[in-house]
Amino acid sequence: EDQVTQSPEALRLQEGESSSLNCSYTVSGLRGLFWYRQDPGKGPEFLFTLYSAGEEKEKERLKATLTKKESFLHITAPKPEDSATYLCAVQEGTDKLIFGTGTRLQVFP
Amino acid sequence: DAGVIQSPRHEVTEMGQEVTLRCKPISGHDYLFWYRQTMMRGLELLIYFNNNVPIDDSGMPEDRFSAKMPNASFSTLKIQPSEPRDSAVYFCASGHGGTLGLAFFGQGTRLTVV
Repeated sequence: EDQVTQSPEALRLQEGESSSLNCSYTVSGLRGLFWYRQDPGKGPEFLFTLYSAGEEKEKERLKATLTKKESFLHITAPKPEDSATYLCAVQEGTDKLIFGTGTRLQVFP
Repeated sequence: DAGVIQSPRHEVTEMGQEVTLRCKPISGHDYLFWYRQTMMRGLELLIYFNNNVPIDDSGMPEDRFSAKMPNASFSTLKIQPSEPRDSAVYFCASGHGGTLGLAFFGQGTRLTVV
């Protein structure tokens, strides 16, 4: 069965303390891997798309990378406003997205 | 563009009642998705449409759930009769064909069935 697993479930960081979130997947034919950010009471907001192993994307303090089995979302020198739930989703051979359950990130000043 | 618009934002209903959730996608998007989010199961795809036609409804939990898209600017998700286990946040999202991961989500409808 196709699966997307995110770890850790929750992460508490001090402001400026860099870390990484993991998304591992088992799908037969990956068409794309997507990272979303979700703030409380809001819908997910698109961050990045990755299509092939070795690909990297950056946006401000965030960098997403992709291997054949997993993706990492690296957060460099995070700020309190980076606090959110980060969702990973994969698109396999159909039009569907399969979402992980997310990592809840809290950044303290 | 105002983005994907969902209504109502919150709904509290009694078990057995009919519930209708509404969605207006972004103009020009040809895909529309309905998701359900719970703490236990995360985001689950219920059904999606392409050019107003339902493509895959395998995620719809049971016959109590139905969805329609009568035109390109409106969709509904109906639950009849509702049950307490249907309590969740329901999201509508829209997107372009070919870049389906770049979906734009609405603010969601928080449904509570008591």
